[in-house]
Amino acid sequence: QSVLTQPPSTSGTPGQRVSISCSGSTSNIGANNVCWYQQLPGMAPKLLIYGNDQRPSGVPDRFSGSKSGTSVSLAISGLRSEDEADYYCASWDDSLSGWVFGGGTKVTVL
Amino acid sequence: QLMESGGGLVKPGGSLRLSCVASGFSLNGYSMNWVRQAPGQGLEWVSSISTGSSYIYYADSVRGRFTVSRDNAVNSLYLQMNSLRAEDTAVYFCARDARGSGPFDQWGQGTLVSVS
Repeated sequence: QSVLTQPPSTSGTPGQRVSISCSGSTSNIGANNVCWYQQLPGMAPKLLIYGNDQRPSGVPDRFSGSKSGTSVSLAISGLRSEDEADYYCASWDDSLSGWVFGGGTKVTVL
Repeated sequence: QLMESGGGLVKPGGSLRLSCVASGFSLNGYSMNWVRQAPGQGLEWVSSISTGSSYIYYADSVRGRFTVSRDNAVNSLYLQMNSLRAEDTAVYFCARDARGSGPFDQWGQGTLVSVS
């Protein structure tokens, strides 16, 4: 059972917009910044979003993040086949004194 | 670039030492982390160590059995794993903390630890 809660899967057709939610608590998301990581099959995770809504250089602006209270969301607009991957949210947890991850959401492009 | 090594097959109760070597940047400017992923499962943070090793944190699942350390002189991070259990079976990634408070901006390719 992960500290941060994500839906296990979502899907969309090419060009559609999909959104992934990540719910936490006042000790993690509510108190700290959140990152999102993309993990392509068989690969290491890659930083996608940091500081709740900031994109590292090289990440397409089709990816966007937002935060409200103890929840965050990752949106992928103009869905492409190469976006098919697992997506994880992560945050520092002040109560646990450690990093916590969501269980991951598998995005399928139909 | 980060490159892990040291994984392998070990019996329950055994020990293993993982290494992570950094190239292209100086490790001593960054906090570092170990993150693991059990087969078919999600990511689980294992441990963090600050630049000068003053601050070290562990997940409850490994505290008392794993020890993280670093040698900035050789640009290396380590994870000593003792009293290994079947549930420690996973790919272990080392990850660089960009600012000391996240995010993890560089990851190694991982090394597989199998406890059986």
